[in-house]
Amino acid sequence: NAGVMQNPRHLVRRRGQEARLRCSPVKGHSHVYWYRQLPEEGLKFMVYLQKENIIDESGMPKERFSAEFPKEGPSILRIQQVVRGDSAAYFCASSHRQGAYNEQFFGPGTRLTVL
Amino acid sequence: GESVGLHLPTLSVQEGDNSIINCAYSNSASDYFIWYKQESGKGPQFIIDIRSNMDKRQGQRVTVLLNKTVKHLSLQIAATQPGDSAVYFCAEDSSGTYKYIFGTGTRLKVLA
Repeated sequence: NAGVMQNPRHLVRRRGQEARLRCSPVKGHSHVYWYRQLPEEGLKFMVYLQKENIIDESGMPKERFSAEFPKEGPSILRIQQVVRGDSAAYFCASSHRQGAYNEQFFGPGTRLTVL
Repeated sequence: GESVGLHLPTLSVQEGDNSIINCAYSNSASDYFIWYKQESGKGPQFIIDIRSNMDKRQGQRVTVLLNKTVKHLSLQIAATQPGDSAVYFCAEDSSGTYKYIFGTGTRLKVLA
């Protein structure tokens, strides 16, 4: 199964630490999206990346959060100096192309818990 | 029956009955709609999609209906099975964008 892979599946951090979440898209997909899901809520768009480019980060907090999708390797969502409010499930999705009617395939998510 | 809990509305149906899950979408410019199923601890799984130039689309045991006049989307599941128990989300997208807007979700409980 060459679907979207995310790791770690579960991540526990203390306040002030850094969290790094990794996402490997479906093989051949060059478009990656990150979403955040709070308990009992729908997913909220954070950022859209293509290889080596951030296309849209309008859903991502201005501070402490960053994302990258290097030419080689997985996409990384990085949260610096985590706070309790960052506790959530973070999902990565990938697609083959951009534009309308373009199905996004989701990974299993990383559940971040901030103590 | 259908009830609204603290967060997610819940729909309870008997095994073998048909389920109808409803969604009101927000953007009149949205022209692509997707239903996702999310089981506990897993990521959203694609079920079926529909474009705005259609009002009905059928898959295996599932049917999506789109009413653009009232911005309403529904998912019908025929002969509901225990494995259908999950949270169901509708998502909308506008042509040329990629930011799926997800609804709040409905929890489906299948009673044996």
